[in-house]
Amino acid sequence: KQEVTQIPAALSVPEGENLVLNCSFTDSAIYNLQWFRQDPGKGLTSLLLIQSSQREQTSGRLNASLDKSSGRSTLYIAASQPGDSATYLCAADNTDKLIFGTGTRLQVFP
Amino acid sequence: NAGVTQTPKFQVLKTGQSMTLQCAQDMNHEYMSWYRQDPGMGLRLIHYSVGAGITDQGEVPNGYNVSRSTTEDFPLRLLSAAPSQTSVYFCASSSFGEAFFGQGTRLTVV
Repeated sequence: KQEVTQIPAALSVPEGENLVLNCSFTDSAIYNLQWFRQDPGKGLTSLLLIQSSQREQTSGRLNASLDKSSGRSTLYIAASQPGDSATYLCAADNTDKLIFGTGTRLQVFP
Repeated sequence: NAGVTQTPKFQVLKTGQSMTLQCAQDMNHEYMSWYRQDPGMGLRLIHYSVGAGITDQGEVPNGYNVSRSTTEDFPLRLLSAAPSQTSVYFCASSSFGEAFFGQGTRLTVV
């Protein structure tokens, strides 16, 4: 059974720092790995999708990498801003079923 | 482009009542799914559908029914609401492995 873990559970940093959020999964036979952002009381917004044949994806200040052999993905946020404050979720796609981690709650203060 | 639309946004039910959470997507995606999000437990898959007329159970299907008569709509029915079903419910549709979520329905069962 796939299990997804995210570390740390919470993170508070000053504006401008570069951040790394970690996601690990137990079953390496995944199709895709997707990162989401969730603001309080809101739905999930897709940030990056890494397909199994890819090793990383980039969008603006965000970069996500995938290492299936070690069961890990990282989300790198460059030059963090207060607007980045949210919960970040990763989800592993096994046979069209997304298995979610419990998220990393990020606070970026001015 | 509306994406995934869920109604209602908020609902309070009494124990034993039934109701239907609506979900519609306008992206012509074949795959749709329902999740519930509870504090400390992340998102868990309730039911999913790979196309019209085809549904299957996820991780926590008990107490819920689904049907998929059209590509666009995937309603979730609570047969007899219980306090344990108090949660935030999210509908998603997917294409080529990338999932898009609705804004959620916050359900309270008293």
